[in-house]
Amino acid sequence: EAQVTQNPRYLITVTGKKLTVTCSQNMNHEYMSWYRQDPGLGLRQIYYSMNVEVTDKGDVPEGYKVSRKEKRNFPLILESPSPNQTSLYFCASSPEGQGLWGYTFGSGTRLTVV
Amino acid sequence: AQSVTQLDSHVSVSEGTPVLLRCNYSSSYSPSLFWYVQHPNKGLQLLLKYTSAATLVKGINGFEAEFKKSETSFHLTKPSAHMSDAAEYFCVVSDGSGGYNKLIFGAGTRLAVHP
Repeated sequence: EAQVTQNPRYLITVTGKKLTVTCSQNMNHEYMSWYRQDPGLGLRQIYYSMNVEVTDKGDVPEGYKVSRKEKRNFPLILESPSPNQTSLYFCASSPEGQGLWGYTFGSGTRLTVV
Repeated sequence: AQSVTQLDSHVSVSEGTPVLLRCNYSSSYSPSLFWYVQHPNKGLQLLLKYTSAATLVKGINGFEAEFKKSETSFHLTKPSAHMSDAAEYFCVVSDGSGGYNKLIFGAGTRLAVHP
């Protein structure tokens, strides 16, 4: 089944403890992106990647890192999480960056930083 | 810069009555427009998309949307609501200004369907 898989689904952590949220797609998509969803704000883009080893900042990149060493994986790294990063995170992929085919989203990771 | 405004944060309808979720956009380019649906504790699912072909777009589950360039609108409709339609709906515009098409999301409309 074609899908985007995120792990974990739920995570509670403490301020300052490094964490990684994994994202993997099995559709050979070139484009991948991370979004955070907060009430009343819709989804905002954190980082995106047009292809392997090509990443760039979205609208809200502060406090996050990403890497794209393989086409299928696009992990999101929080080096020193803070409570304002408590949010619902989505990974998405698309065959290309033009978005003409829509995007496939993962099921989400709900992160709580205390 | 492109933007999306969903005019209602909450919409409540009775089962069997029509649904109208309103979306206005601003765009300097020929936009691609999407509607996504998010059911509770689920990811986002593509309902339908407009990419400069027919202005009336049909999607899944009986939803459709009409692209009106003169009104810069892309409202989502369904003739008869079903209980399973209760969810949050996002209008999305695809922004090609940066050399790739970034998705810009509206704030969402929560649809409640009552028996």
